[in-house]
Amino acid sequence: EIVLTQSPGTLSLSPGERATLSCRASQSVDSTYSAWYQQKPGQAPRLLIYGASRRATGIPDRFSGSGSGTDFTLTISRLEPEDFAVYYCQQYVTSPWTFGQGTKVEI
Amino acid sequence: EVQVVESGGGLVKPGGSLRLSCAASGVTFSNAWMSWVRQAPGKGLEWVGRIKSYADGVTTDYAAPVKGRFTISRDDSKSTVYLQMNSLKTEDTAVYYCITLSRVFDWRMDWGQGTLVTVSS
Repeated sequence: EIVLTQSPGTLSLSPGERATLSCRASQSVDSTYSAWYQQKPGQAPRLLIYGASRRATGIPDRFSGSGSGTDFTLTISRLEPEDFAVYYCQQYVTSPWTFGQGTKVEI
Repeated sequence: EVQVVESGGGLVKPGGSLRLSCAASGVTFSNAWMSWVRQAPGKGLEWVGRIKSYADGVTTDYAAPVKGRFTISRDDSKSTVYLQMNSLKTEDTAVYYCITLSRVFDWRMDWGQGTLVTVSS
C-alpha cells in the first residue's frame, strides 16, 4: 500500500499569504494518477489538481500543483477567505487507492 | 459537463444490507472506470473500491475493510454503477461518494455529492 503523508497537519496563515502544502508518498507515484482536493465542512471534496499539475475546470490560477515521484506540492499563491479548508492529496495508480490524512489551512 | 449522482443511502441495522446506486452523465459511461470513496463522520477520505470498464476487463478491486462484504457492479445500459453492501457494521457509517474517471478526460476524477449511510441499531 502506498502511504501518503501530508505536512503540515495544520497551516495557520492570513488572507493574502502564500500556502505551501506537501504530500510525500512511501513509494514512487506516476503523477498522471495523483490529485489534490479541497473540502469544506458539510461539502463533498472538490477536485483542484489532477495529473500533478493540471487545474480542474473552474479552479482559480492561484492554485498550482507540482511534483513527481514521491514528492508533490500544492501551492496557493495568495490566500482568499474562501480557501480556508482541509486539503487532501490522493494517488490512484495502485490499489488500494490512498489519500493523505489532510492539511487544515486555518486563519 | 460530467454529473455524478448517488442514491440509496439511509439507516440500516448492523448485519443488514443496502445497495447504493450512482448515475453518471456527460461521459461515455462504457469507457469510464467507476469508484466509491467514503468518509466517516469527522474523519478523512477512505477508498472503498473500483470497477474498470468492460474494455479494460471490468475487474473490481476493494479496500481491505470491505473486501468480501461489498460488491461493485455496473450496468452500462443505464450508465449506472452499484455498491452492494452486506454484513454492515457500525464502522461503515459514512458519506459514500461515487467517482467517475476515464482516459478520455486524462483520468480526471469527477465526484458526486455523496449519500449518507448510517449503520445503527
